[in-house]
Amino acid sequence: AQSVTQPDIHITVSEGASLELRCNYSYGATPYLFWYVQSPGQGLQLLLKYFSGDTLVQGIKGFEAEFKRSQSSFNLRKPSVHWSDAAEYFCAVGANNQGGKLIFGQGTELSVKP
Amino acid sequence: DTAVSQTPKYLVTQMGNDKSIKCEQNLGHDTMYWYKQDSKKFLKIMFSYNNKELIINETVPNRFSPKSPDKAHLNLHINSLELGDSAVYFCASSFSTYEQYFGPGTRLTVT
Repeated sequence: AQSVTQPDIHITVSEGASLELRCNYSYGATPYLFWYVQSPGQGLQLLLKYFSGDTLVQGIKGFEAEFKRSQSSFNLRKPSVHWSDAAEYFCAVGANNQGGKLIFGQGTELSVKP
Repeated sequence: DTAVSQTPKYLVTQMGNDKSIKCEQNLGHDTMYWYKQDSKKFLKIMFSYNNKELIINETVPNRFSPKSPDKAHLNLHINSLELGDSAVYFCASSFSTYEQYFGPGTRLTVT
């Protein structure tokens, strides 16, 4: 069965420091992979997606993620975190033959220290 | 322009009542979804519709009944509300099975 694991429930980084949020998935075929961000009291905003092709994908707000098939990972990175990046981040996996069903990870809460 | 909108944003009601949540998208997408986010922020799909046809029904109690009058709308009706139904419900839409765009959510509180 498909599953997504985000090992870090909560991460705190200093403003200006680099960030990496981990995501591991379990899926038999090549998955569709997504990162979403949720600010308090808000909906989910799509940061970036991977369907195929270049394994390093660029997203909005300066985020990028790298698909590593051998490690079943899709980690999210940002070189320099801003205070406004404080939010909940969700990794999700989907597949073309599953009617669009997304399986979400548990989420990682990011706090940013001034 | 709001891409995916939901009404109401907040819904407080008593156990046993029946309530509806409405969702509309103006993105021209053909697939719409309902997700439930529990108190631990875990997101789980409930239903999806493609061109008004039910595609996904994820072991949701039959007290929950989605209705899609057209491709741009997907409503969720809940009968006989229970305490455990308290959650944030998100509507989303996509073109086919590609990336999904989410609405702002409806926080349902059952007392």
